[in-house]
Amino acid sequence: AAGVIQSPRHLIKEKRETATLKCYPIPRHDTVYWYQQGPGQDPQFLISFYEKMQSDKGSIPDRFSAQQFSDYHSELNMSSLELGDSALYFCASSPGGGYGYTFGSGTRLTVV
Amino acid sequence: GNSVTQMEGPVTLSEEAFLTINCTYTATGYPSLFWYVQYPGEGLQLLLKATKADDKGSNKGFEATYRKETTSFHLEKGSVQVSDSAVYFCALSDPHSGAGSYQLTFGKGTKLSVIP
Repeated sequence: AAGVIQSPRHLIKEKRETATLKCYPIPRHDTVYWYQQGPGQDPQFLISFYEKMQSDKGSIPDRFSAQQFSDYHSELNMSSLELGDSALYFCASSPGGGYGYTFGSGTRLTVV
Repeated sequence: GNSVTQMEGPVTLSEEAFLTINCTYTATGYPSLFWYVQYPGEGLQLLLKATKADDKGSNKGFEATYRKETTSFHLEKGSVQVSDSAVYFCALSDPHSGAGSYQLTFGKGTKLSVIP
């Protein structure tokens, strides 16, 4: 079965650079979520999209932005990267209804 | 707001031992409850879920029952295996403002190590 695809799997950036993470949801899933998981931490909700519109916003820094495109894939754009942005970034998709998501394998971002 | 509290680890068990990982929650509405498992270096996998009170979720020998009266969703397995070594996250999803948004609130995670 198709899963949630995230790219790239690993990314190394320097401080103050920008990064773009991509997420391709499961076909026919209309909702995409982004989470950030710091080392040894629980995942923290960043932002979600439903039918290409932002539906909820969590602890996402102003330096980050995201959108969902017409084909339902989503991109998380991160600017002015800081060392503390080093984390695992997960995307998840769902058909809505709170029945549990399917997570991607994550993008590991390292800021040096 | 919503919150999830789960027992702190790490938990170390011998193979075939009984496992319980406690999880309690606070929610304003009627949440759905989940257990996710994260193996080393991998993403989050849904282990089991329950969407209403008294529901029992089960998968791969793991079970958890949604107890509204005690606001709990404890994870249990009768006989653990080395391959169960992972980090386990309890989570809830509560209907939120915004159509179709069901953000997950996670507990801090419990690391389980099973030794032969």
